[in-house]
Amino acid sequence: AQKVTQTQTSISVMEKTTVTMDCVYETQDSSYFLFWYKQTASGEIVFLIRQDSYKKENATVGHYSLNFQKPKSSIGLIITATQIEDSAVYFCAMREGGTEGADRLTFGKGTQLIIQP
Amino acid sequence: EAAVTQSPRNKVTVTGGNVTLSCRQTNSHNYMYWYRQDTGHGLRLIHYSYGAGNLQIGDVPDGYKATRTTQEDFFLLLELASPSQTSLYFCASSEGNYAEQFFGPGTRLTVL
Repeated sequence: AQKVTQTQTSISVMEKTTVTMDCVYETQDSSYFLFWYKQTASGEIVFLIRQDSYKKENATVGHYSLNFQKPKSSIGLIITATQIEDSAVYFCAMREGGTEGADRLTFGKGTQLIIQP
Repeated sequence: EAAVTQSPRNKVTVTGGNVTLSCRQTNSHNYMYWYRQDTGHGLRLIHYSYGAGNLQIGDVPDGYKATRTTQEDFFLLLELASPSQTSLYFCASSEGNYAEQFFGPGTRLTVL
C-alpha cells in the first residue's frame, strides 16, 4: 500500500529566505506521480507543482521547485524568496500508476509553514 | 482553470439527520472526489467517480453514500448523520487519471 510521510509538522523562517519541506513516500509501483498542495488560512486548497516519476529533471513553477531523489523515495518542496503570503499548510501527495481501481491520491499530514516578517 | 463549487458552505444538523452536500465543477472534468479533513488525519478519500453514473469506494466510505448525476454534479449523502461525521468536506475534480486535482472551497459540517 502506498504511504506518504511528512515528518516536519511546523517550520518557521524569515521572509525572503529559502525553505525546504520534506516528504518521503512508499510505493511498489515503478511509475507514480507526486504532487504538492497548499492550504491557506481560509481553508482553500491549491495545487502547486507535480513530479512524474519517469522524469529525471526536477520540476519548477515560479518560486516553487522540487528536489526529487528517487533512490531515497523523497520529494522535497523548495520555496525560494519566501513571502508572508506563503504562510500555509503544505501537503505532499502521491498517485500510483496502477490500474483504474487504484487511482486515488494518498496525502501526507501536512507541514505548517510560518513566514516571519 | 477548473472551477469547483460546493454548497452549502456551512451546515449544522443533529444526530440522525439527513444531509446532502453538493459539488459542481464547470471544467468538463471526468473525475470527481469527496474528501474529509480532520485534525491529525489529513485528507481522506470518501468516494470518487469516473463519470456520470459511476461510483467508486474510497478509503473511509462507512456512513456515506454518493451519487454522480451528471459530469458536472457530485453529491455526498449522509442519511443518518453521527457526531463522528463532524468534519470539513472537500470536493475535487481532475481531468484525467494522473492529473492534478482541483479543490472546491469546502463545506464545514457539524453534527450535534
